[in-house]
Amino acid sequence: NAGVMQNPRHLVRRRGQEARLRCSPMKGHSHVYWYRQLPEEGLKFMVYLQKENIIDESGMPKERFSAEFPKEGPSILRIQQVVRGDSAAYFCASSPVETVGTGYGYTFGSGTRLTVV
Amino acid sequence: GESVGLHLPTLSVQEGDNSIINCAYSNSASDYFIWYKQESGKGPQFIIDIRSNMDKRQGQRVTVLLNKTVKHLSLQIAATQPGDSAVYFCAENMPNAGKSTFGDGTTLTVKP
Repeated sequence: NAGVMQNPRHLVRRRGQEARLRCSPMKGHSHVYWYRQLPEEGLKFMVYLQKENIIDESGMPKERFSAEFPKEGPSILRIQQVVRGDSAAYFCASSPVETVGTGYGYTFGSGTRLTVV
Repeated sequence: GESVGLHLPTLSVQEGDNSIINCAYSNSASDYFIWYKQESGKGPQFIIDIRSNMDKRQGQRVTVLLNKTVKHLSLQIAATQPGDSAVYFCAENMPNAGKSTFGDGTTLTVKP
């Protein structure tokens, strides 16, 4: 059981480019969550997905950001036309359906550190 | 509004001492509270959780206390070790909601 896998670990993009961040949940976990962490701050919720379904995207910026969790393959967080303010660590977590809402059983990946230059 | 905050941004303790990390929350409807540990370059790691109908929960070397009257949460670490040095976050969850609201973190430094 490899845990939650995120890649790439580090991503550098120029302003205006697209960033694609990938997250493979733990085996048996059907729920995926994306969080953003600015330096020396806590994690801010972005979006919560099940397979082929967005459950809660209340933390997603209205423009340039999108997320998906297809039937096959990893969850993808896409940021279009990146700006310097998008520079942050992006963490993905997964959980089994039984522990949704508790935090118990949530497993975080090691994150993708996005730097926009 | 909904927010979770921490009283002290940094805490320095001597190895072997007990550590207490505090957290204030503002949403009285939150049902679950969780403590995470985050080491440098890594994602948050679940430590312990507590449900709103409990006052205290113990784990291995850790105890979480919940005071709903003053909306206060604390994490006690017994016999703190150098490996406990990290940033500690509290988080709260609304009932049946997938997302967690995190505080800004307390940096714990353990001096040998």
